[in-house]
Amino acid sequence: AQSVTQPDIHITVSEGASLELRCNYSYGATPYLFWYVQSPGQGLQLLLKYFSGDTLVQGIKGFEAEFKRSQSSFNLRKPSVHWSDAAEYFCAVANTDKLIFGTGTRLQVFP
Amino acid sequence: GAVVSQHPSRVICKSGTSVKIECRSLDFQATTMFWYRQFPKQSLMLMATSNEGSKATYEQGVEKDKFLINHASLTLSTLTVTSAHPEDSSFYICSARATGGNTGGLYNEQFFGPGTRLTVL
Repeated sequence: AQSVTQPDIHITVSEGASLELRCNYSYGATPYLFWYVQSPGQGLQLLLKYFSGDTLVQGIKGFEAEFKRSQSSFNLRKPSVHWSDAAEYFCAVANTDKLIFGTGTRLQVFP
Repeated sequence: GAVVSQHPSRVICKSGTSVKIECRSLDFQATTMFWYRQFPKQSLMLMATSNEGSKATYEQGVEKDKFLINHASLTLSTLTVTSAHPEDSSFYICSARATGGNTGGLYNEQFFGPGTRLTVL
């Protein structure tokens, strides 16, 4: 069955530090992969998506993610974190018309 | 960009009453809308898929008589929580998928609403 694993429940970084959020997926075919961000009490905003082609995907707010088929991973990165990046981050894989979400990673940013 | 709204953003109701939540696609037509439920500090769980003009498809374990879904137009889907109880308190999020899609592949992107916080006393 398709699934998404986000191994890190909670990550804390200092403002200006680099960030990597991990995501592993289980999917039989070529996956459609997504990263969403959710601020407290808000809906989801799409950061970036991978459908095919270049395995390094650029998104909004300075985020990027790299698809590695051999490792079944789609890790999210940002070179320099801002305090406003503090939020919950969800990785997801599309199963035909449905999205399967990981359990999320809560990012805390210290000044 | 594609915008999805939800109304109300917050609702508090007494146990035993019914609550209706609206999900609207503001600048596009959505043949399909999805309803998710999110418990505190947890992920989104798909409750049901709503297709315009037909019955919703519910995920396993979701009571269709408890969570009534109506998708009467290409821009509006409603979720009614009937005879709500405290355990129904949650954050409900809808998403909408544009008619025709934008990828040409198997998956057409979903656009999410801001969510509705339901508290049942």
